[in-house]
Amino acid sequence: NAGVTQTPKFQVLKTGQSMTLQCAQDMNHNSMYWYRQDPGMGLRLIYYSASEGTTDKGEVPNGYNVSRLNKREFSLRLESAAPSQTSVYFCASSPRQGARRTEAFFGQGTRLTVV
Amino acid sequence: GIQVEQSPPDLILQEGANSTLRCNFSDSVNNLQWFHQNPWGQLINLFYIPSGTKQNGRLSATTVATERYSLLYISSSQTTDSGVYFCAAKAAGNKLTFGGGTRVLVKP
Repeated sequence: NAGVTQTPKFQVLKTGQSMTLQCAQDMNHNSMYWYRQDPGMGLRLIYYSASEGTTDKGEVPNGYNVSRLNKREFSLRLESAAPSQTSVYFCASSPRQGARRTEAFFGQGTRLTVV
Repeated sequence: GIQVEQSPPDLILQEGANSTLRCNFSDSVNNLQWFHQNPWGQLINLFYIPSGTKQNGRLSATTVATERYSLLYISSSQTTDSGVYFCAAKAAGNKLTFGGGTRVLVKP
């Protein structure tokens, strides 16, 4: 039972390159999230998906797109990377809103550097 | 959306000391979690505590939902307790919002 798995763990991109961060969970959770954490700061929500087939913007969505491929997988795409997107990215999942317990679990993070 | 504020922002402790971290939130919550981010960046779930009190070893947490705050207690601190402690809260809707964190350094 792996929980939330993110790939890759580390990535260096050149400005303007594109890439997709992958996230998969094996806890049968309905909701999934992407956050970014800049140095010395808390986590800020980029996008979330309340259930398969739905996505919604969070606090800092500009420059990102997401795909909820199925119940298990939620990917984050940077179409044209910028140095301001250098950050650590976390994926999370939780049971559906209204469940008895809605505890969220996080992946190990992806450290992205854009040069 | 909900606002989450943590205090203090920084805390330096001598090994063996006790401490209290606070989390204030601006709305009624259906989820309140405490996390420890270790020096390697991993987020470790400490407590899921939308209300009431829980204890896990030297750590305990209390959430007073009606007054919109939660407290995390660290007793007999150890150097391995160093890191950043985050609380995160969810009101109606699906957005789990994080506070800015409390950076804890425990000195031997």
